[in-house]
Amino acid sequence: SQKIEQNSEALNIQEGKTATLTCNYTNYSPAYLQWYRQDPGRGPVFLLLIRENEKEKRKERLKVTFDTTLKQSLFHITASQPADSATYLCALLPASGGSYIPTFGRGTSLIVHP
Amino acid sequence: GAGVSQSPSNKVTEKGKDVELRCDPISGHTALYWYRQSLGQGLEFLIYFQGNSAPDKSGLPSDRFSAERTGGSVSTLTIQRTQQEDSAVYLCASSLGQRVYNEQFFGPGTRLTVL
Repeated sequence: SQKIEQNSEALNIQEGKTATLTCNYTNYSPAYLQWYRQDPGRGPVFLLLIRENEKEKRKERLKVTFDTTLKQSLFHITASQPADSATYLCALLPASGGSYIPTFGRGTSLIVHP
Repeated sequence: GAGVSQSPSNKVTEKGKDVELRCDPISGHTALYWYRQSLGQGLEFLIYFQGNSAPDKSGLPSDRFSAERTGGSVSTLTIQRTQQEDSAVYLCASSLGQRVYNEQFFGPGTRLTVL
């Protein structure tokens, strides 16, 4: 069955450093991968989409990579700030024409210390 | 506001009672999803509506769970004869629905506590 792994332990970093979060998957060949941010008591908020034929995507301080050979996506936040502290979820999506149902990881908590 | 809204925000009920959770999606969004999120767990898919098509109910954990979407807009998730293991945050999301990769817009969730 499909399996998505995100670090269950919180990632603690100092303000100004680059945070790197990992999303690994098995038994799945996603065509798309999304990253969401979730704050306590709130629903997830979409951040970035990357397609299987894209190696890297950037948006402001965010960068996502997608390696379909390693079955892994890395999510980077450069010049991190305490306001970046949240849980980050990855979601895998199949190719168009298939199910429109994403599979979410459990998320990794990021804590940025001032 | 123009976002997804859910009600109630919190619901405490006794074991065995029925509950109804409501979701108002963003106007014009044809796709609507229900998820369940337990403490420390990921988003567990429950049910998916797309336009006038038959819903995908493959994620519903038991026949005590059902959902409707009236007029392609508001959706209600009903849990009958609630059990303590039903306690979780129930999240609703909507999207434009034309592409599988359309971003999902989530509501704030309903926190359900079954005593």
